[in-house]
Amino acid sequence: ETGVTQSPTHLIKTRGQQVTLRCSSQSGHNTVSWYQQALGQGPQFIFQYYREEENGRGNFPPRFSGLQFPNYSSELNVNALELDDSALYLCASSLPGTGDYGYTFGSGTRLTVV
Amino acid sequence: KQEVTQIPAALSVPEGENLVLNCSFTDSAIYNLQWFRQDPGKGLTSLLLIQSSQREQTSGRLNASLDKSSGRSTLYIAASQPGDSATYLCAVEMDSSYKLIFGSGTRLLVRP
Repeated sequence: ETGVTQSPTHLIKTRGQQVTLRCSSQSGHNTVSWYQQALGQGPQFIFQYYREEENGRGNFPPRFSGLQFPNYSSELNVNALELDDSALYLCASSLPGTGDYGYTFGSGTRLTVV
Repeated sequence: KQEVTQIPAALSVPEGENLVLNCSFTDSAIYNLQWFRQDPGKGLTSLLLIQSSQREQTSGRLNASLDKSSGRSTLYIAASQPGDSATYLCAVEMDSSYKLIFGSGTRLLVRP
């Protein structure tokens, strides 16, 4: 059974650029959630994808967007990067409604915006 | 609006001590509560998950309790070891929700 894999592990971008982060969900999990974790803070929910549709969104602007693919992997896209977007981005997969309640997190992508 | 608070923000103890980390939440209508461990710059590792109908869960030296009515959970670590040094995060999932709401974590240092 594979876990959640995120790529890349580290990324440096310039303010105003666009970035795409990738996540492969745990085998058998059909739901992917994305979180942003600023230094010294707990993760903040960005959005969740279930069966290729957005299933809920946190308090993030529209320049944060995502996709989920038929194999349940997912992408997080951020346009017009700002310095405050510098953070650890975490992906979590889950299988709701089955009795398997837990979330499995990846190791994250560290994004630095300069 | 659900708010999750963790106290203390940081804790330093000598090896071998038993310790308690605290988590409180403002809305008791939770679906479940999870405790996670996070090593510096890394992702989250799930430690224990407590369903809203449960009072506690145990795994090895870890024991987590849940009191929904008072909006509190504790994580008890027995016989702490230097390898337990990490940040411990508490998160709640609300009824019919799709997201976890996290506290800011407790940064634990266990001194040899």
